[in-house]
Amino acid sequence: KQEVTQIPAALSVPEGENLVLNCSFTDSAIYNLQWFRQDPGKGLTSLLLIQSSQREQTSGRLNASLDKSSGRSTLYIAASQPGDSATYLCPQTGANNLFFGTGTRLTVIP
Amino acid sequence: DGGITQSPKYLFRKEGQNVTLSCEQNLNHDAMYWYRQDPGQGLRLIYYSQIVNDFQKGDIAEGYSVSREKKESFPLTVTSAQKNPTAFYLCASTEGRMNEKLFFGSGTQLSVL
Repeated sequence: KQEVTQIPAALSVPEGENLVLNCSFTDSAIYNLQWFRQDPGKGLTSLLLIQSSQREQTSGRLNASLDKSSGRSTLYIAASQPGDSATYLCPQTGANNLFFGTGTRLTVIP
Repeated sequence: DGGITQSPKYLFRKEGQNVTLSCEQNLNHDAMYWYRQDPGQGLRLIYYSQIVNDFQKGDIAEGYSVSREKKESFPLTVTSAQKNPTAFYLCASTEGRMNEKLFFGSGTQLSVL
């Protein structure tokens, strides 16, 4: 069974701090990898999509990397802001499904 | 603006009642999905459709039904056979395959009266 583990489960940081969120998968047969954020009571927003042939992807203050050999991905957030507060998810992509963990709940304190 | 619209935002179901959640997209995407989210758990796939008039069961399809008569619409019916329907339901779509960028709607919270 494919499982996704996200560490830490929750994280509180002061505004301006750089931080790293971690994601690991039980199945090394990773297709593409998407990082999402979810605000309370809302849908998911795609942040970055790393294609299976890529190792990393950057968008503004966000950088995501993928190491398929170890089944791990990291999301780096630079100069965090209160607006970054949300739950971050990194589901593993299967042929016809995404396998979700419970995410990392990030709180950025002003 | 292109996107996915889910309605209603909140829905209440009485005992023995069937209810239908709406999902409409104007992204011209072929594939659409329904997920269920419970507190403290990851999202789980209920049903998906990769093309009009075709759909497949996901991991937790029991007690649910769907239709895909139009490309832009993928309604989900929560039947009376679903004994624990209280959850947050999310609809999503991709242009073609699951490993492409996934777009989500804003969700429907279903509760039992």
